[in-house]
Amino acid sequence: RKEVEQDPGPFNVPEGATVAFNCTYSNSASQSFFWYRQDCRKEPKLLMSVYSSGNEDGRFTAQLNRASQYISLLIRDSKLSDSATYLCVVTNPESGSARQLTFGSGTQLTVLP
Amino acid sequence: SQTIHQWPATLVQPVGSPLSLECTVEGTSNPNLYWYRQAAGRGLQLLFYSVGIGQISSEVPQNLSASRPQDRQFILSSKKLLLSDSGFYLCAWAQDSYEQYFGPGTRLTVT
Repeated sequence: RKEVEQDPGPFNVPEGATVAFNCTYSNSASQSFFWYRQDCRKEPKLLMSVYSSGNEDGRFTAQLNRASQYISLLIRDSKLSDSATYLCVVTNPESGSARQLTFGSGTQLTVLP
Repeated sequence: SQTIHQWPATLVQPVGSPLSLECTVEGTSNPNLYWYRQAAGRGLQLLFYSVGIGQISSEVPQNLSASRPQDRQFILSSKKLLLSDSGFYLCAWAQDSYEQYFGPGTRLTVT
């Protein structure tokens, strides 16, 4: 079983649509969670952290379910500029001061005009 | 504010040639530094990390090595490249948290 699993997509949605990505992780001891965004042939960029109570940043909402070891990202009112690959990222609790992250393979989103 | 630089941006090298990729961070002290590789259409693979000058930990056995000669400088090297070394090499830093910030990457093609 992969440590972090994501549906690879691709998700092709029209502008203005709402789209949700899901992610599951295997290590129940993981404490911190993130979503990164990676544009084609570019570096990953931190989109948002995921907090236990759920958090929202504009059109983006992240949710965490520790019991099910499940993370989600909801994008409302999709824009063309949201087209990218979205990476689910989980901390490695055994890494100590190295603070290692484990990255999912990503979900590809294309927003169509 | 902090910035991270990588060079070169792209590189085409023949099999068996040496490699040196450089990463530098500005605006922070004693960061954790990381080297990742991303093969085409694949996820990020952690290659090396460093929690301080001269301290290098390897995550996967390979023909690559890393060094940290200065606090904010991280170098990835190889004596002899293999075809399988092709990929997108990313350097990242983190400071007192798990949030990692990536450089622009080096796209390496081994021919």
